[in-house]
Amino acid sequence: GEDVEQSLFLSVREGDSSVINCTYTDSSSTYLYWYKQEPGAGLQLLTYIFSNMDMKQDQRLTVLLNKKDKHLSLRIADTQTGDSAIYFCAESFGGNNRKLIWGLGTSLAVNP
Amino acid sequence: GAVVSQHPSWVICKSGTSVKIECRSLDFQATTMFWYRQFPKQSLMLMATSNEGSKATYEQGVEKDKFLINHASLTLSTLTVTSAHPEDSSFYICSAIPRDRGYNEQFFGPGTRLTVL
Repeated sequence: GEDVEQSLFLSVREGDSSVINCTYTDSSSTYLYWYKQEPGAGLQLLTYIFSNMDMKQDQRLTVLLNKKDKHLSLRIADTQTGDSAIYFCAESFGGNNRKLIWGLGTSLAVNP
Repeated sequence: GAVVSQHPSWVICKSGTSVKIECRSLDFQATTMFWYRQFPKQSLMLMATSNEGSKATYEQGVEKDKFLINHASLTLSTLTVTSAHPEDSSFYICSAIPRDRGYNEQFFGPGTRLTVL
């Protein structure tokens, strides 16, 4: 079945790079996403990658996809205290990509 | 732009009562909205897809008579939890897709915390 797994916690120092990892089981996903959730705010789409891509970079964010190992990662360069949040990995299925399967989320704590 | 609001942000009710949660797209029109629920330390589970002007599509295992969804306009979808019980206590989140965007772009509301006593 469809399953997405993430480590639950990550703690880094301000200025360091953060790497959040995600593994998934279903290789038929079409897109893979990273969302950010801050307290009291809605889930915010950070970035997404099409399943036939290996890498996508957007400013401080780098997404790496290893389709063979079904592994997705999000690297945040120069992590700031404002990056403290819960990060969710999700994958979409279906012809219209509407159904999202979510991981449990990784809580990122950035220490000054 | 692309802001989604939910009301109320939290609600406490007695067992057996019904609770209505609103999801509004504030600055765009959405033909499709989604309702999710999130239990503590668990991932988001899609409950149903709400389509403006037609019946909602429910995911397997979600009781449509218990979770009534009405998408009456292009900016409003409502979820009514009927005869709520303590096991319905959860965090309910909606999302909306702007009608001129692809399905990759879902914008999420801040969620509604429901506690049933």
